[in-house]
Amino acid sequence: EVQLVESGGGLVQPGGSLRLSCAASGFSFTNDNMNWVRQAPGKGLEWVSFIANHGRIIYYADSVKGRFTISRDNGKNSLYLQMNSLRDEDTAVYYCSRTHPAVWWLPDYWGQGTLVTVSS
Amino acid sequence: QSVLTQPPSAAGTPGLRVTISCSGSSSSIGSNTVSWYQQVPGRAPKLLIYSNDQRPSGVPDRFSGSKSGTSASLAISGLKSEDEADYYCAAWDDSLSVVFGGGTKLTVL
Repeated sequence: EVQLVESGGGLVQPGGSLRLSCAASGFSFTNDNMNWVRQAPGKGLEWVSFIANHGRIIYYADSVKGRFTISRDNGKNSLYLQMNSLRDEDTAVYYCSRTHPAVWWLPDYWGQGTLVTVSS
Repeated sequence: QSVLTQPPSAAGTPGLRVTISCSGSSSSIGSNTVSWYQQVPGRAPKLLIYSNDQRPSGVPDRFSGSKSGTSASLAISGLKSEDEADYYCAAWDDSLSVVFGGGTKLTVL
């Protein structure tokens, strides 16, 4: 069974940092591209970042470029999101997602998410 | 990055058909495939349609997708109360990003 379990969320002050983790199991993590997608309270979905299976191709949304860093450790079946210079508008549930086998960029299976609250 | 445009709400009667539209641009829907998600409040999104009109295994054939030019549609036939949820379209944009629609809240009357 595919499982994606996010962790690392919490309350942080504006300007602070947080590192999210996503533990993957039940599929071949090494073969799959991954995404982070977020959802602010009561709002729609917003794509954050993409990383290819080998880690050498990475894309970011303009809203987080220069502040967030996506990475992965295929030996540990884990995906990460380092978030720096956090802003109020980064408050959201952050989901990690595996991409669809037939559509290289498409978030397919999603974790349950971890809540990040940026507030003073 | 560009954003896809969806109506904020839609409504339908049980047993009938409802459609949800999604409008993009030449760099998103116009040159890439469209996918659709269903999200029940408090839950993670679920993939309903990929590559414009393909259903993942387990998704009922009551759900169908189509694309024409820079627009796409999701149709739900034989509407059920359990279909009440938020629906999102998504596409790859040639500016090297994934773009989502703002979401459509479907109410089953």
